[in-house]
Amino acid sequence: GQQLNQSPQSMFIQEGEDVSMNCTSSSIFNTWLWYKQDPGEGPVLLIALYKAGELTSNGRLTAQFGITRKDSFLNISASIPSDVGIYFCAGRGNAGNMLTFGGGTRLMVKP
Amino acid sequence: ETGVTQTPRHLVMGMTNKKSLKCEQHLGHNAMYWYKQSAKKPLELMFVYSLEERVENNSVPSRFSPECPNSSHLFLHLHTLQPEDSALYLCASSQTSGSSGNTIYFGEGSWLTVV
Repeated sequence: GQQLNQSPQSMFIQEGEDVSMNCTSSSIFNTWLWYKQDPGEGPVLLIALYKAGELTSNGRLTAQFGITRKDSFLNISASIPSDVGIYFCAGRGNAGNMLTFGGGTRLMVKP
Repeated sequence: ETGVTQTPRHLVMGMTNKKSLKCEQHLGHNAMYWYKQSAKKPLELMFVYSLEERVENNSVPSRFSPECPNSSHLFLHLHTLQPEDSALYLCASSQTSGSSGNTIYFGEGSWLTVV
């Protein structure tokens, strides 16, 4: 089956710092999605990417669909304490409509 | 309020109990999903319904029984669960066609504890 490697698994940063995380796939994906999950809540969609090379922003968040179609990046600029949570990437290849999820990146922000 | 609502948010049940989780989506989607999220594990897809028909069942034990009476509602019936079934159960929905057909939206989850 499709494999998604998300890194880093966790990050502990200072407020105001920029953050970068990424996902790589063993196969080509047609869609990349990034979600954030707060403790005790369900994942919330942050950014959706549908085209190779696409670069999309949502406030301080920017995500890119890699041109090889096997990777995606999420950057957070000027982090704030409410950025704390687990960030998941998800991708879909050609095999049906099922998404494959990465293992998540746990972000901790020190005020 | 999210487009996908789950009830109850928290459930504690004994191993011999029968209970159900409920999900309702208000997004006009035609596909609904159940995911299981355990500590330190990736999200696990349990069931998928598209146009009210089950299209995928990832070898989930029979003590979990889904029901999709219409495109807006999804249930997960629970019977004789084990303590290792304790987890966050997430419902999600999506539209199966169109440019955004691959985007799924999650509910807030139902925390299940089996004692």
